[in-house]
Amino acid sequence: SQKIEQNSEALNIQEGKTATLTCNYTNYSPAYLQWYRQDPGRGPVFLLLIRENEKEKRKERLKVTFDTTLKQSLFHITASQPADSATYLCALATTTSGTYKYIFGTGTRLKVLA
Amino acid sequence: DARVTQTPRHKVTEMGQEVTMRCQPILGHNTVFWYRQTMMQGLELLAYFRNRAPLDDSGMPKDRFSAEMPDATLATLKIQPSEPRDSAVYFCASGRAGTRGGHEQFFGPGTRLTVL
Repeated sequence: SQKIEQNSEALNIQEGKTATLTCNYTNYSPAYLQWYRQDPGRGPVFLLLIRENEKEKRKERLKVTFDTTLKQSLFHITASQPADSATYLCALATTTSGTYKYIFGTGTRLKVLA
Repeated sequence: DARVTQTPRHKVTEMGQEVTMRCQPILGHNTVFWYRQTMMQGLELLAYFRNRAPLDDSGMPKDRFSAEMPDATLATLKIQPSEPRDSAVYFCASGRAGTRGGHEQFFGPGTRLTVL
């Protein structure tokens, strides 16, 4: 069956450290992958998109890697801050005959401790 | 400050009643998505539209759910009749699909639906 897995356990890290979140998938060939941030009671907010032919993308303190051989994406937040505390969702986009299918992981809750 | 708007923000209804949720996408966006989020299942795609035409509604229970875009500024999701298992937060998102297909999605604040 097709699956996307993110760390189901909450991730607690100390302020200033690098947070690394994992997104693993099986039985998909994604055209691209996205990461979103979701705060309680709000809709997800787009952070980064990485395509199947890209290995790494950066934006300020954020970095995403995409390994289509391992079927894994890693999401890094460097110099983490308490304001980075939120749930982070990965989302795959696969295409069939020009129509995209979008599948979200269940998210990883990150807590950055001051 | 362009954003996706959704109404109502909260809806409590009784089983068997019709529920209609509305979404105004960001002006100029050509793709609209409807998602449902629950603790157990996470965020699930119900349907999406490109240039107002439905592209994929395979995630939507067809017997009771329907989604439409009467015009470019309005998307609706209707449940008739509603059931307690439909209780969830329903999100609308919009985006502008480029030639390469990949684009970010801008989410609305959601409609929290409770069916008693």
